[in-house]
Amino acid sequence: DTAVSQTPKYLVTQMGNDKSIKCEQNLGHDTMYWYKQDSKKFLKIMFSYNNKELIINETVPNRFSPKSPDKAHLNLHINSLELGDSAVYFCASSQVGVFYNSPLHFGNGTRLTVT
Amino acid sequence: KNEVEQSPQNLTAQEGEFITINCSYSVGISALHWLQQHPGGGIVSLFMLSSGKKKHGRLIATINIQEKHSSLHITASHPRDSAVYICAVRSGATNKLIFGTGTLLAVQP
Repeated sequence: DTAVSQTPKYLVTQMGNDKSIKCEQNLGHDTMYWYKQDSKKFLKIMFSYNNKELIINETVPNRFSPKSPDKAHLNLHINSLELGDSAVYFCASSQVGVFYNSPLHFGNGTRLTVT
Repeated sequence: KNEVEQSPQNLTAQEGEFITINCSYSVGISALHWLQQHPGGGIVSLFMLSSGKKKHGRLIATINIQEKHSSLHITASHPRDSAVYICAVRSGATNKLIFGTGTLLAVQP
């Protein structure tokens, strides 16, 4: 019973293609995130969704678009893929409130390789 | 300068040693997270704390809010502790999570 699951684990595609990465959490959390991890292992937040509303967008290119059909899912769509998009993308979730923060729960990551 | 700084960036230890990883931050926070990323890539949340000290098995995390500093300690280190340890803080002002660059720990048998 995986808490945060993302698919696929590996994604190899060519420049210019459009691809999606799916993420689902069964923890009942109200906030989900997408992070990009660069070659230096630095995690950079891309999006944060709370109750289906985008609350943080860290100036990522608009080729990246999060889609949240419900609070248990946050999918990442990438259009016109570029070589520089190659990275590991992590989905995560937590429960965030005014007086309460829960630990972060991460998916296992999706290694995207653009050729 | 990053808002969250970790030290050291790389650490090699012998099995059984006591290990300390430090995290300093420059923003007001509501919570601080310690994460562990294994060579396989998966990320696990070790601790979330906003004050004091937490212990889980051989791992201990402390935080000093006044000094804006946290430490992660590993007692009786083991090769399976080899991983990247990441400190992340949630900004009290923006609610944004800010990550440190991580500490790569290698524990040799």
